[in-house]
Amino acid sequence: DAKTTQPTSMDCAEGRAANLPCNHSTISGNEYVYWYRQIHSQGPQYIIHGLKNNETNEMASLIITEDRKSSTLILPHATLRDTAVYYCIVTLGGTSYGKLTFGQGTILTVHP
Amino acid sequence: DAEITQSPRHKITETGRQVTLACHQTWNHNNMFWYRQDLGHGLRLIHYSYGVHDTNKGEVSDGYSVSRSNTEDLPLTLESAASSQTSVYFCASSPLGGRTDTQYFGPGTRLTVL
Repeated sequence: DAKTTQPTSMDCAEGRAANLPCNHSTISGNEYVYWYRQIHSQGPQYIIHGLKNNETNEMASLIITEDRKSSTLILPHATLRDTAVYYCIVTLGGTSYGKLTFGQGTILTVHP
Repeated sequence: DAEITQSPRHKITETGRQVTLACHQTWNHNNMFWYRQDLGHGLRLIHYSYGVHDTNKGEVSDGYSVSRSNTEDLPLTLESAASSQTSVYFCASSPLGGRTDTQYFGPGTRLTVL
């Protein structure tokens, strides 16, 4: 699977948009970008995923660059409950499907 | 509502004892996974199963075993617990097909081996 690079930590003011970047310059054409988050002492939670097109759901938006070498997770109106570690994961599927590789992620702290 | 549960939530055991951690999901998902999480290592895959009677080794499978006798359960057994297995253990499940990488995680079991 392609390796991902994320900033170690980020801060965001409550009510503002949180934009979390992820670099995956070695991604191949059939690999998906997945985002999970882990709130302190809880299990990871699926947020969103995409292949080429931008995606939006009730939790967040995912913007993938045209060359697919990077992506940004957007939480449009961050709240204190969004404070968590956010993981960007590139998955291959096929014979590797389901075997997620969690890196260190980005610690997002939302301030009042 | 469908869910995934783990038990016990906290366990303290002694070195050399056999320990079994339970994982139960009510989504009827074919795929189930066990991870451990340690400071400095993130989540690492221990074992996984794509269906009944199917089990596969993950990245850190030594000292652990699983069995899948039905769709709902994937118990994780530590045959002879070691202090290095002190960790937080998470179980996850995902549906068959295109969303296999969309995993739903349990609340975790904190295991301490003394």
